[in-house]
Amino acid sequence: LAKTTQPISMDSYEGQEVNITCSHNNIATNDYITWYQQFPSQGPRFIIQGYKTKVTNEVASLFIPADRKSSTLSLPRVSLSDTAVYYCLVGMNRDDKIIFGKGTRLHILP
Amino acid sequence: GAVVSQHPSWVICKSGTSVKIECRSLDFQATTMFWYRQFPKQSLMLMATSNEGSKATYEQGVEKDKFLINHASLTLSTLTVTSAHPEDSSFYICSARIPGRGRETQYFGPGTRLLVL
Repeated sequence: LAKTTQPISMDSYEGQEVNITCSHNNIATNDYITWYQQFPSQGPRFIIQGYKTKVTNEVASLFIPADRKSSTLSLPRVSLSDTAVYYCLVGMNRDDKIIFGKGTRLHILP
Repeated sequence: GAVVSQHPSWVICKSGTSVKIECRSLDFQATTMFWYRQFPKQSLMLMATSNEGSKATYEQGVEKDKFLINHASLTLSTLTVTSAHPEDSSFYICSARIPGRGRETQYFGPGTRLLVL
């Protein structure tokens, strides 16, 4: 299970693009990179998943460099409703389980 | 998309009583479900893995006799907090893997807020 490091918190303003970077230096060859979003008092929500290069869906984009030792979640034109905690997960542990790190607390300001 | 529900969404109980929380996969079958606990301002902590038709496996430090898990069908897992105490007050979240999707992809329930008085 690759250890991940991401900023504890970030602030941004409505309408801005927000990029959250996650470091995962010991990512394994078969590990995928997955991001979840969690609003207060709700369960996490799957946002996006990728293996290499770039993945885009209706919510976000995920950029993964060639060495795959980091990844960047990009949220275009954020709104107040994007205020949440964002978790970067890489691979699974030896027992085939997802283990959550501390996540990044994103606060969008008006 | 795949939906996981939990019931109840919140519960208040007296110390010493038992509380049952249900986790259902609404439009798919889930042979494996997971139970997490989350304290305020903290990340999710995996408690146990619920396997349909077999015993649950618990993470280190989680008392299996206190947190009883039953996965009697492919769409239902239950977590029973026995003899609840105030320190068991927390946000309990279940999740399920989606068949055919990557192993790292799970869908989470909305959570159950437990308050033990």
